[in-house]
Amino acid sequence: GENVEQHPSTLSVQEGDSAVIKCTYSDSASNYFPWYKQELGKRPQLIIDIRSNVGEKKDQRIAVTLNKTAKHFSLHITETQPEDSAVYFCAPSDTGNQFYFGTGTSLTVIP
Amino acid sequence: DGGITQSPKYLFRKEGQNVTLSCEQNLNHDAMYWYRQDPGQGLRLIYYSQIVNDFQKGDIAEGYSVSREKKESFPLTVTSAQKNPTAFYLCASSTFAGTYEQYFGPGTRLTVT
Repeated sequence: GENVEQHPSTLSVQEGDSAVIKCTYSDSASNYFPWYKQELGKRPQLIIDIRSNVGEKKDQRIAVTLNKTAKHFSLHITETQPEDSAVYFCAPSDTGNQFYFGTGTSLTVIP
Repeated sequence: DGGITQSPKYLFRKEGQNVTLSCEQNLNHDAMYWYRQDPGQGLRLIYYSQIVNDFQKGDIAEGYSVSREKKESFPLTVTSAQKNPTAFYLCASSTFAGTYEQYFGPGTRLTVT
């Protein structure tokens, strides 16, 4: 199966600063790259995703960049706000049938 | 109210007992999944099903069983063979129609003593 690593495991930033979380994967066949956000006590929710034919995708303050050659993709959050505090998971997939979740990054935004 | 539901929210069992966790969706999604979430380990796939009456093992299927008799339902049984059953269990569903987004249920926290 896929070997997925996320870094860092914890991240603290001041409100208004940017946050970047990196996900590396091993399966070169992966072609779908989502990021999920899980707030404390809640279910994970998809916040952004990208397919392998696209290098970057942006949605307001959130962006995902993909480097297929190096087998990693990153989540970028700009102008962070306290409500961005959560655990973020990457979950690359090659077929959309199985998703291999990373171990998560706990982001804390300090007001 | 559309979505994916899991019941119960909290479940307590004695060691050696089998227990079944419920997962129902009314999103008309073809695929359903069961994940186990432990602190610091992310989500690990137990079983998934892409179609009624068919399912596949995930990475940690040992000690678990599932059924998919209806499109809307995908119950998970935690058997006494599962060595560390205490965990948070998440069910998810997805459609193959243009997106791979997974929709998660609220989860069931199982405690076995």
